[in-house]
Amino acid sequence: QLQLQESGPGLVKPSGTLSLTCTVSGGSINNITYYWAWIRQPPGKGLEWIGSVYYRGSTDYNPSLKSRLTLSVDTSKNQFSLRLTSVTAADTAIYYCARHPARWEVFDSWGLGALVTVSS
Amino acid sequence: DIQMTQSPSSVSASVGDRVTITCRASQDIGDWLAWYQQKPGKAPVLLIFAASSLQSGVPSRFSGSGSGTDFTLTINSLQPEDSATYFCQQANTYPLSFGGGTKLEI
Repeated sequence: QLQLQESGPGLVKPSGTLSLTCTVSGGSINNITYYWAWIRQPPGKGLEWIGSVYYRGSTDYNPSLKSRLTLSVDTSKNQFSLRLTSVTAADTAIYYCARHPARWEVFDSWGLGALVTVSS
Repeated sequence: DIQMTQSPSSVSASVGDRVTITCRASQDIGDWLAWYQQKPGKAPVLLIFAASSLQSGVPSRFSGSGSGTDFTLTINSLQPEDSATYFCQQANTYPLSFGGGTKLEI
């Protein structure tokens, strides 16, 4: 059974860099059928797609975050990562990693989520 | 960007009732729509994709319909465990986008 688990610092200072890693278990990130994605949710609010990455490294980013965002894949560790620079309080959210089929951009498997707070 | 608008924002119903939630896209998205259920403190769970296809393992009391810009999620014979927030998501065009959510209280 596929499992995704987010990890990384829970507190980031304003203007700093938010970095999270998603570890995939029970399946290979090298699967040509799937993309790997990040979605965030400010506490008590709605969902925002951040971006998606393919195992070969190709990416799709939300234009609202593109200038600050980098997604990457480490197939040797079965992990993918998010890096968001110049963060502000508006970036405080629960960050989820997820999977979507290459043909259908719907999220059929999710991690538990990781709360990241931007505060000094 | 495609905007997704859900209504109502919240609804209260009783066990055994039928509830319908609406999602409207700002432009034609064909049948590229999904519905998710999210319970407090948990990640969303995919219920329906392609507007009307039930995800494996989802109870048959959940159904979806619609195409183009107008879509509905219907839950028949409400159960206590259906208390949650429901989100729609368009999968037609990047950037992918979600509706604002509908909180269902039972």
